[in-house]
Amino acid sequence: GAGVSQTPSNKVTEKGKYVELRCDPISGHTALYWYRQSLGQGPEFLIYFQGTGAADDSGLPNDRFFAVRPEGSVSTLKIQRTERGDSAVYLCASSSGRMEAFFGQGTRLTVV
Amino acid sequence: LAKTTQPISMDSYEGQEVNITCSHNNIATNDYITWYQQFPSQGPRFIIQGYKTKVTNEVASLFIPADRKSSTLSLPRVSLSDTAVYYCLVGDTGFQKLVFGTGTRLLVSP
Repeated sequence: GAGVSQTPSNKVTEKGKYVELRCDPISGHTALYWYRQSLGQGPEFLIYFQGTGAADDSGLPNDRFFAVRPEGSVSTLKIQRTERGDSAVYLCASSSGRMEAFFGQGTRLTVV
Repeated sequence: LAKTTQPISMDSYEGQEVNITCSHNNIATNDYITWYQQFPSQGPRFIIQGYKTKVTNEVASLFIPADRKSSTLSLPRVSLSDTAVYYCLVGDTGFQKLVFGTGTRLLVSP
C-alpha cells in the first residue's frame, strides 16, 4: 500500500481482556517497529523486527505484551490481561533503513 | 545510542524563522542526526537527516557544527501548520531502534 496501515484505529476493551493490534507496513520494508505513546510524551519503543525475527524486544514492558511478524510483512501486537495503564496510542512504523521510518496513524487503545 | 537534549517548548509567530537546537554531546563517529515532526493524532514524520555541515530540503534546513555535539533545525517563515512536536534522534543508519525523547513542542501563533 501507499503507507503504513494500522487497524483498528480505535479499540476500547475491558480490563483483563486480550487485544490484538495489526500493522501493515510499506511493501518491501524489512524493518518494522512498534511504539506506544501516552499524552504529552514521545513515542516509547516496544519492539523492532528485522524480517520475521524480533531484533530488539527490550522495550516490551512485561510478558503480557507479545508481537509477531510471521511472514516478514504484517505484524500483530498482542496484549494479554489488559490493564488500565496499557491505555495509549500504539504506533507502528516500517523502514528500509537509514533511520527514516514511516509511521502509521496509530491505534488508540482504551482499557476501561 | 547517544542521548539528546532539546528545549521542551518554543513559541513563534507566523512568518518568523524558527531554530530548534538539539544537544548530543556523546554522538559517535558513525551517528547521523535525524529530525521528525509529529502533528496531533498522527504518527511522527521524517523531515530531515544530516551528518555534518548543512543539509537543506523543501521543509527545513539542518545545521551541524564541526564538533557535531549539537545540531539546529531551522524552519523558515513558519506558518500555523508548523505547530507540532519536533524530535531530534541520533544513531547510525543501520537498522536499529529509534529512540525518541520528549521533543520540542512548537506553537506558532497568528
